[in-house]
Amino acid sequence: GNSVTQMEGPVTLSEEAFLTINCTYTATGYPSLFWYVQYPGEGLQLLLKATKADDKGSNKGFEATYRKETTSFHLEKGSVQVSDSAVYFCALSEGGSQGNLIFGKGTKLSVKP
Amino acid sequence: EAGVAQSPRYKIIEKRQSVAFWCNPISGHATLYWYQQILGQGPKLLIQFQNNGVVDDSQLPKDRFSAERLKGVDSTLKIQPAKLEDSAVYLCASSSGTEERETQYFGPGTRLLVL
Repeated sequence: GNSVTQMEGPVTLSEEAFLTINCTYTATGYPSLFWYVQYPGEGLQLLLKATKADDKGSNKGFEATYRKETTSFHLEKGSVQVSDSAVYFCALSEGGSQGNLIFGKGTKLSVKP
Repeated sequence: EAGVAQSPRYKIIEKRQSVAFWCNPISGHATLYWYQQILGQGPKLLIQFQNNGVVDDSQLPKDRFSAERLKGVDSTLKIQPAKLEDSAVYLCASSSGTEERETQYFGPGTRLLVL
């Protein structure tokens, strides 16, 4: 079945450091890929998405590229801020009647000033 | 535009009691999802509705969980009787239902603790 694997956390970085959170997936079809973020005490928010191979999603300085050949969708940011501290979830969806999201376990990011 | 609303935000019950959660999706959204998020894990789908019909409930523990969306708008998820392992955050999400591979918008969740 379809699945998503994320790097284990927690990840602790200093402000302005470079961030990479690895995500790989297994899917039978051609899924859309998503990164969701969950700030402390809040619900899940869509951070970015990509719907086909080689698409790059970007938002708030974060970006991720849909790599079909490596079945990956790694999240990157060039310079993190304290306000980026949150849990990040990689997810996939095959759409339509299988439109539900399949999530990874999440990666907790803590950014220190 | 108002987001997905959920209530209550927190609930503490004893095992074998029953509990119900309510969700009001974004106005006009045809598709509604309930997810269960156990601490330290990603959300897992329980049930998906398209308008007032069930699209996927394959992962819903039907011996104790039930859900309805009678008028195709708001939805209720019920657990009866609750078990300790039901302690989790219950997330509701909605999407417009008009296109493939569309974005889901999540509510704040209901945090359930079963003692």
